[in-house]
Amino acid sequence: GDSVTQMEGPVTLSEEAFLTINCTYTATGYPSLFWYVQYPGEGLQLLLKATKADDKGSNKGFEATYRKETTSFHLEKGSVQVSDSAVYFCALSEGAQKLVFGQGTRLTINP
Amino acid sequence: DAGVTQSPTHLIKTRGQHVTLRCSPISGHKSVSWYQQVLGQGPQFIFQYYEKEERGRGNFPDRFSARQFPNYSSELNVNALLLGDSALYLCASSPGSSLSYEQYFGPGTRLTVT
Repeated sequence: GDSVTQMEGPVTLSEEAFLTINCTYTATGYPSLFWYVQYPGEGLQLLLKATKADDKGSNKGFEATYRKETTSFHLEKGSVQVSDSAVYFCALSEGAQKLVFGQGTRLTINP
Repeated sequence: DAGVTQSPTHLIKTRGQHVTLRCSPISGHKSVSWYQQVLGQGPQFIFQYYEKEERGRGNFPDRFSARQFPNYSSELNVNALLLGDSALYLCASSPGSSLSYEQYFGPGTRLTVT
């Protein structure tokens, strides 16, 4: 079945550092790909998405490109802030009613 | 506008008991989905309801059931609770049943089974 694998956390960076969180997926067809963020005590929020190969999703300085050839959707940000500290989830959907999530990556940014 | 609301926030139950969790979607949203998030893992899909009909079901035992009401709110019921049912239960709403619509998640209900 479909699955998503994220780099294991936790990840700790200093403010203004470059961020990469790796995500690879397994799917039988051509899924849509998502990044969600979960701040402490809150629900999941959609950060960005891409629906077809070579699409780039972007929001709040975060970017991810749908790479079909490597089945990847890595999340990047050029300069992280303390406020970016959260848990990040990569997810996919193949047009069905459900999202399939990775296990999450906890990110901590130190000032 | 209010976001997705869930009640209760926290709940402690004993093995073998039954629990009902509630979700109110964003006004105008007709689809509600339920996810289970065990500590340290990503959410897992349990159900989706759209216009009061079940549209999808994840790999969960029959102890899990749900329904959607005419006002589009939803309940998730779990019978014969097991220790392994301890988790954060998330509700998400969207305008339609397709995932081309963004799903908006509530803050969740933290269930602890002792």
